[in-house]
Amino acid sequence: AIQMTQSPSSLSASVGDRVTITCRASHGIGNDLSWYQQKPGKAPKLLIHAASSLQSGVPSRFSGSGSGTDFIFTISSLQPEDFATYYCLQDYNFPRMFGQGTKVEIK
Amino acid sequence: EVQLVESGGGLVQPGGSLRLSCSASGFTFSSSAMHWVRQAPGKGLQYLSAISSDGYSTYHADSVKGRFTVSRDNSKDTLYLQMNSLRPEDAAVYFCVKGMAILTGPLYSWGQGTLVTVSS
Repeated sequence: AIQMTQSPSSLSASVGDRVTITCRASHGIGNDLSWYQQKPGKAPKLLIHAASSLQSGVPSRFSGSGSGTDFIFTISSLQPEDFATYYCLQDYNFPRMFGQGTKVEIK
Repeated sequence: EVQLVESGGGLVQPGGSLRLSCSASGFTFSSSAMHWVRQAPGKGLQYLSAISSDGYSTYHADSVKGRFTVSRDNSKDTLYLQMNSLRPEDAAVYFCVKGMAILTGPLYSWGQGTLVTVSS
């Protein structure tokens, strides 16, 4: 099974900060990786698919990059509504594995 | 607009059974693979099951294989998850998710979730 290692598990940042989250796959997955945002008590929401493609309607301050085993998720300028938990997911094969999640908190 | 509405959650004793349903609208249900993902209280997301658009191919995570069964009725635009031999560690919010036409790929649209509690 392909394991996904996401880091950090949490971070504190201020509005306007640039935030970076990484996800590493134990084996190459091409660009088959997606990123999700989850706010407390809500369902996750797809932000990025195919490692770098912005889902329709998602603000352009969100971006993704990487291929193979190493992937980066970036929020270019953190907004108040971005405080949430973010997950990566490998879309390559089964078993599907989520990263452990990164909780983005207000500094 | 894609809508996915789960139902069927509730309190069940260990060893008991539940069937979750997910009613879909706003898209061509019979053209989409569908998925179940769960989240235990205070924990991360766990991918559980998938079913192809025609219902002939399924996948279940090892943690639920042999106990849970995913199915669908394309004539009713409804996805199901039959859960047997429930354990306390199965307690979670269960999300129904719309995928792509193929079994792999991103999870595009999520329902609001239904809570399953397993306790005596």
